[in-house]
Formats: sequence, structure tokens, C-alpha cells
Amino acid sequence: DTEVTQTPKHLVMGMTNKKSLKCEQHMGHRAMYWYKQKAKKPPELMFVYSYEKLSINESVPSRFSPECPNSSLLNLHLHALQPEDSALYLCASSSVSNYGYTFGSGTRLTVV
Amino acid sequence: DQQVKQNSPSLSVQEGRISILNCDYTNSMFDYFLWYKKYPAEGPTFLISISSIKDKNEDGRFTVFLNKSAKHLSLHIVPSQPGDSAVYFCAASAMGGGSQGNLIFGKGTKLSVKP
Repeated sequence: DTEVTQTPKHLVMGMTNKKSLKCEQHMGHRAMYWYKQKAKKPPELMFVYSYEKLSINESVPSRFSPECPNSSLLNLHLHALQPEDSALYLCASSSVSNYGYTFGSGTRLTVV
Repeated sequence: DQQVKQNSPSLSVQEGRISILNCDYTNSMFDYFLWYKKYPAEGPTFLISISSIKDKNEDGRFTVFLNKSAKHLSLHIVPSQPGDSAVYFCAASAMGGGSQGNLIFGKGTKLSVKP
């Protein structure tokens, strides 16, 4: 298995909703990442988990809450989002040598 | 300040010819460079990488060249195929950060390969 699987592929949520994005990989990668990508822009790093511990938080608002329950899973919990948070959310994983991130296909999030 | 620059937002090439995508960087601490390919509505796919100890890396039709003194790298695709039409992102990191290294992306170049 050489894929990063993200669910759901599409999500529409209201500003008062609570939802979660899920990411899974079985490549034995011990580093996992959340990126946010707006239209026609490159992905922007949000969070990095290394050995299931949060190692980087790129000053992301607290309405985004990451969680890494085990070495294969990465969640992003969403609460009280704003319409400007609408974007493609990408999960990625890599070996600890940082070689060649593998990206998932993303969750297209729309906040209404 | 943009640390990784892809100055050409788009490039159009005839099938069978060479595609050359360029990337410049400003941070001399970068020592690892990657190219990603992205189709619409999909996540970026890793294509090829190069470490700063090399000046060339080749994988099939894809070759990346690194000129450290000019802080410039390029991706050559030969021969170009219509399926290569996508947005190509250049990315750089300081490997000394290990798995915590932050990948800095350029803004991408949209390649169109015409039959």
C-alpha cells in the first residue's frame, strides 16, 4: 500500500458544525502533515506530527484541532469554521528522512 | 518574501518536444529540492527530487538539474506527452530539520502539452 487515503472527499459544513477530516497511511511513515490549499495557490503547511507527537503548528487558529491517535491515522477536527476556511485540505506523510512526501487526494471543504 | 519562485505561471509545449520548467530559490539553507505534479482536484504527486550534493538526477523522462551558485533548478521532461499536462510545483526544504523540515512550495507552473 503506497497511498495516503483521505475521507471524506467532499464536505459541506455550517459555521456552527463540528466535523472531522480523516487521513490514513500504511507505509510505515512516522511523519504526517496537514496542508491547506486555496485555489491556484501552493499547499500551505498547517501541522506536522512526528512519531505521533505534534512537532509543528504553523500558527493555525484553534478552530482547527489535529489529532494523531496512532502511527497510521491523522485527524483534523473542525469547529466553528469561517467561510474563508473553505479550501482543499491535504494530508501527507513521509519517512523521517523527509524524502518525497506522499500526498492524499484531499478533502474539498466548503463552509457555508 | 517568496523563498521559492516559479516565474512562469504557464508553459505550452508540443507533444514529443522538451518541456523545461524553472525554479529559483533565495534561501541558501535549502539543501533538498523536490518537484510535484498536480492534476485538478487531486493532491500533489511526488515526481523527482535532488539533494544539494548533486547537480543532476534522472528518472525516466524526467531530469532535474540544480545550479547551486545560481540558486536555480529546472525540470526537463523529454519527450513531453499529453498526459504530462498538469501544474508542476517546485518545493525546497532544509533537510537538517529531518521530518520536521518545512517544505516551501513555489506557486506552480501549468504545463500544457498539445498533441
